[in-house]
Amino acid sequence: EAQVTQNPRYLITVTGKKLTVTCSQNMNHEYMSWYRQDPGLGLRQIYYSMNVEVTDKGDVPEGYKVSRKEKRNFPLILESPSPNQTSLYFCASSLSFFPRESYNEQFFGPGTRLTVL
Amino acid sequence: GQNIDQPTEMTATEGAIVQINCTYQTSGFNGLFWYQQHAGEAPTFLSYNVLDGLEEKGRFSSFLSRSKGYSYLLLKELQMKDSASYLCALPDSNYQLIWGAGTKLIIKP
Repeated sequence: EAQVTQNPRYLITVTGKKLTVTCSQNMNHEYMSWYRQDPGLGLRQIYYSMNVEVTDKGDVPEGYKVSRKEKRNFPLILESPSPNQTSLYFCASSLSFFPRESYNEQFFGPGTRLTVL
Repeated sequence: GQNIDQPTEMTATEGAIVQINCTYQTSGFNGLFWYQQHAGEAPTFLSYNVLDGLEEKGRFSSFLSRSKGYSYLLLKELQMKDSASYLCALPDSNYQLIWGAGTKLIIKP
């Protein structure tokens, strides 16, 4: 089954304790992305990756790191989590990013609900 | 830059038709996406418009007017399972999708 998986699905942690949220896709997609979703603010992009070893900042990258060593995996790292990073996180992937004449829908993982105390 | 506006919440009756609007401002248009998101779940793709006009897909249709910076999602024969948030999104020139805050649709029996 074609899918994007994320782990863990739920996590409660404390300020300053490093954590990693894993993301993996089995569709051979080139483009991968991390979002956070907060009430009233919609989805905001944290980081994205156009392909292996190519990553770039989104709109809200502060406090986060990513890596793309393999095509299928795109982990999100919080080196020193803080309470303002409490949020619902989604990983997404698509075949590529869009030339105007075609489209590539983004497939989303199930989400990771993170609470930082 | 880009700016996307959607109504925060709408209410409709089961079996009826509802239109969810999305207005946007962008420096370069590269198409417009609609996604559906049930509470606590991941967004799922509904439609993509890059040319003006209406595209129909079963009970759901999406309309685009590039000159007016306007799109709408039309849901017909509403079912209770259509209760969800509907998100409008635009790709920008920096390989990012910019998202509206979403419209929460409440369906009443």
